[in-house]
Amino acid sequence: DTGVSQNPRHKITKRGQNVTFRCDPISEHNRLYWYRQTLGQGPEFLTYFQNEAQLEKSRLLSDRFSAERPKGSFSTLEIQRTEQGDSAMYLCASSFGLGETQYFGPGTRLLVL
Amino acid sequence: QKEVEQDPGPLSVPEGAIVSLNCTYSNSAFQYFMWYRQYSRKGPELLMYTYSSGNKEDGRFTAQVDKSSKYISLFIRDSQPSDSATYLCAMSDHGSSNTGKLIFGQGTTLQVKP
Repeated sequence: DTGVSQNPRHKITKRGQNVTFRCDPISEHNRLYWYRQTLGQGPEFLTYFQNEAQLEKSRLLSDRFSAERPKGSFSTLEIQRTEQGDSAMYLCASSFGLGETQYFGPGTRLLVL
Repeated sequence: QKEVEQDPGPLSVPEGAIVSLNCTYSNSAFQYFMWYRQYSRKGPELLMYTYSSGNKEDGRFTAQVDKSSKYISLFIRDSQPSDSATYLCAMSDHGSSNTGKLIFGQGTTLQVKP
């Protein structure tokens, strides 16, 4: 399967802990996006990478959130000092270029207790 | 007011019915319009992709964009129980930042009853 993959698929953590999610985009896709989706809502944009450069961050991305994409391949999203309000599905998408289709991964479902 | 408005439903129809799903938007800069289907606890899957105004048909699915009214629609003909899912509209304007980020509607939950 050459689609977008995300790991882990599920994560349960206690408030105050740090968590890290990984996204492997489709090979040769240079654009990578992170979105967050809460129950009953559509996905909301968090951040965008073109190759290894993080070019845009949403105001939703507080200073507890950090994302990286070393060498323009896989990406990680880290949440420090998790809060219950961080509970959501974290989705990763990739595309080949501007205006091209964004393909989504299966998401990582986070539950903060 | 949200940039993209979509009735969350739920919408329940009998098998074989024609389904109409709609979104309105406020940002006239949107040029790219998409419909994604999302099954429970899965990632969104692209159904239709349209640039600017007009119609696009793919099998049982037809997407329409009316930029003058800031209104987009997705029609599903001969609906099947397997069409039961949440349908998300999404839009993008490339703007000065050229991110291509998508702005989504809330999603409409569809149930097709056998």
